[in-house]
Amino acid sequence: ETGVTQTPRHLVMGMTNKKSLKCEQHLGHNAMYWYKQSAKKPLELMFVYNFKEQTENNSVPSRFSPECPNSSHLFLHLHTLQPEDSALYLCASSGRQDSNQPQHFGDGTRLSIL
Amino acid sequence: GEDVEQSLFLSVREGDSSVINCTYTDSSSTYLYWYKQEPGAGLQLLTYIFSNMDMKQDQRLTVLLNKKDKHLSLRIADTQTGDSAIYFCAEISGAGSYQLTFGKGTKLSVIP
Repeated sequence: ETGVTQTPRHLVMGMTNKKSLKCEQHLGHNAMYWYKQSAKKPLELMFVYNFKEQTENNSVPSRFSPECPNSSHLFLHLHTLQPEDSALYLCASSGRQDSNQPQHFGDGTRLSIL
Repeated sequence: GEDVEQSLFLSVREGDSSVINCTYTDSSSTYLYWYKQEPGAGLQLLTYIFSNMDMKQDQRLTVLLNKKDKHLSLRIADTQTGDSAIYFCAEISGAGSYQLTFGKGTKLSVIP
């Protein structure tokens, strides 16, 4: 298996639920990213991990909690979400954070909050 | 903050060339990227160009960069129905920066 894989592809949850999104990359990269893609808005960078250390949190609400146990895996834990959090959540990876190497994206998780 | 602008829609006939345009404001951009997003999928890296280049060609794709005007274009020759997608322009600034700034995307519709 190659590339960046995200699971689940679709998720519907109520505002009181707790769920997690998973991302796995098989590219030997050391940097991983979470983005939010909402309709009619540019992609928003949420979190960056470089060599398993979180290096960026772009003012993301605490109801989103990232976890990076190793350079190949990235999670986004969700709890008490709001309807405006419905979006496509994309994971990406690149060789390392402090370089201009291109980012490679997964297919995303389509999240719907009821 | 820095800004990347693209027109939102483009329609072309199958077999014609498509030209998708992008402008950016960051004069220290080092790399500029084109990504393609098909329905229900993530972003696929198509090509990228370093800021000291003015043209890059890769099969049916030609990227032109006018650094003076901060204008980037993607030309797709012999456009096919499979090219229908949203195309995102993105730029990365300066050495050691990791943040990509994306445009809102151009939706390309190919008419058979």
